[in-house]
Amino acid sequence: TQLLEQSPQFLSIQEGENLTVYCNSSSVFSSLQWYRQEPGEGPVLLVTVVTGGEVKKLKRLTFQFGDARKDSSLHITAAQPGDTGLYLCAGKASGTYKYIFGTGTRLKVLA
Amino acid sequence: NAGVTQTPKFQVLKTGQSMTLQCAQDMNHEYMSWYRQDPGMGLRLIHYSVGAGITDQGEVPNGYNVSRSTTEDFPLRLLSAAPSQTSVYFCASSLGGDMGYGYTFGSGTRLTVV
Repeated sequence: TQLLEQSPQFLSIQEGENLTVYCNSSSVFSSLQWYRQEPGEGPVLLVTVVTGGEVKKLKRLTFQFGDARKDSSLHITAAQPGDTGLYLCAGKASGTYKYIFGTGTRLKVLA
Repeated sequence: NAGVTQTPKFQVLKTGQSMTLQCAQDMNHEYMSWYRQDPGMGLRLIHYSVGAGITDQGEVPNGYNVSRSTTEDFPLRLLSAAPSQTSVYFCASSLGGDMGYGYTFGSGTRLTVV
């Protein structure tokens, strides 16, 4: 059974601070995605990474896929209150059709 | 473009009742999945489908059935509701394949079993 562990589970920071969220597994993934979810809504896709070592940037968000394709990180620079939400990683192992989600990191950015 | 539509948004069931959660997408996506979300548990995969007529079990399939007679629709049936099935249910669709296309999620169905 694939497991995706995210850390930290909860994070409360002041506006303007930087933060990093981690997504780790013992399994190798053919692709890994990051989503953000707001209360009462479904998750919304932020990015997909498919190549080991790949780095993608989305404004103040930087995503990295580990060289061995077992882990990923999300770094937010100068966090803003609008970044508040639940961040989820999801991975798909090669040869399977299933996307497995991590347990999530709940971020709160205080003004 | 509606995306993924789930109905109903809220539902209360008595233990032992059955019901069907509806999911429809208008993006011609091959992949569709059902997830449940419980506090502190993230999203857990119930069933998924890679095309019309093809379904398979996810991590937590017990107590649920699915069918995929068309590309657009992927209903989830609760056979005999139990309090442990109280959760928020999300349907999602994707182009699929190994290129890592992301899922588009519906807005969820909040189910309470009493």
